[in-house]
Amino acid sequence: KNEVEQSPQNLTAQEGEFITINCSYSVGISALHWLQQHPGGGIVSLFMLSSGKKKHGRLIATINIQEKHSSLHITASHPRDSAVYICAVRSYYGGSQGNLIFGKGTKLSVKP
Amino acid sequence: SQTIHQWPATLVQPVGSPLSLECTVEGTSNPNLYWYRQAAGRGLQLLFYSVGIGQISSEVPQNLSASRPQDRQFILSSKKLLLSDSGFYLCAWSEDRVTEAFFGQGTRLTVV
Repeated sequence: KNEVEQSPQNLTAQEGEFITINCSYSVGISALHWLQQHPGGGIVSLFMLSSGKKKHGRLIATINIQEKHSSLHITASHPRDSAVYICAVRSYYGGSQGNLIFGKGTKLSVKP
Repeated sequence: SQTIHQWPATLVQPVGSPLSLECTVEGTSNPNLYWYRQAAGRGLQLLFYSVGIGQISSEVPQNLSASRPQDRQFILSSKKLLLSDSGFYLCAWSEDRVTEAFFGQGTRLTVV
C-alpha cells in the first residue's frame, strides 16, 4: 500500500463545476503539499499545509491531521485548471532530510 | 527572491550514452537539494538528496549518480544510460526539512 493515496486518479469536469481531489496518507507528517503539474511537466507548488485550511483565489486546501486526510477544492473550474494535481507529504521519520513522499497524482480535465 | 533553474527541459539520448542534468538555485544559501524521478504511471520518487557541498545521499540503487560541486548546484549523471532510465526528472530545494519545497521545471528524458 502506498504511503500517500490520491483519489480520483482521473477526473473530467465541465467548466464551472466545483471540484474536489482527496489525499490520504499513512505516515506522521510535518507538512503536506499540493502541487500542480502542467502537461509540459513543470511543477508548481500550490499550498503547503500543516493544519486547518488555506485559500488562494479559486483554490482551497484543507487538512485533517487526526484523520490523515487532505482535500484540494477548485471552485468555478476553468479549462486552464486542467493539469495533474499531486499531493506530497513531508514525513517526520526516516533518514532523508525532509524529502517528500508523493501521491501518483490526479489528472483533471475541465471541458469548456 | 529565490529561483531554481533546471535544464534541459527535454532530452532524447541513445542507450549507452552519458547523461548530465544540471540544477541551480539562486537567492538562498546552503539549501537542501533533491533529485526526484517520475517513471511512467508512477508517482515521483526520491533519487538523491544533499544537505551540503559534496554531501550526497542516495535513496534507491540505480544507474545514476549525483554531485554537488557548489553550494547551489546539483548535477545528476549517468555514465551509460539504460532504457529504464527514461522518465521525468525533477530537481527541488528547501531551506530545511520542514519548510516549503520549490521545484524546477523538470527534464523529460527519453532513452532510445
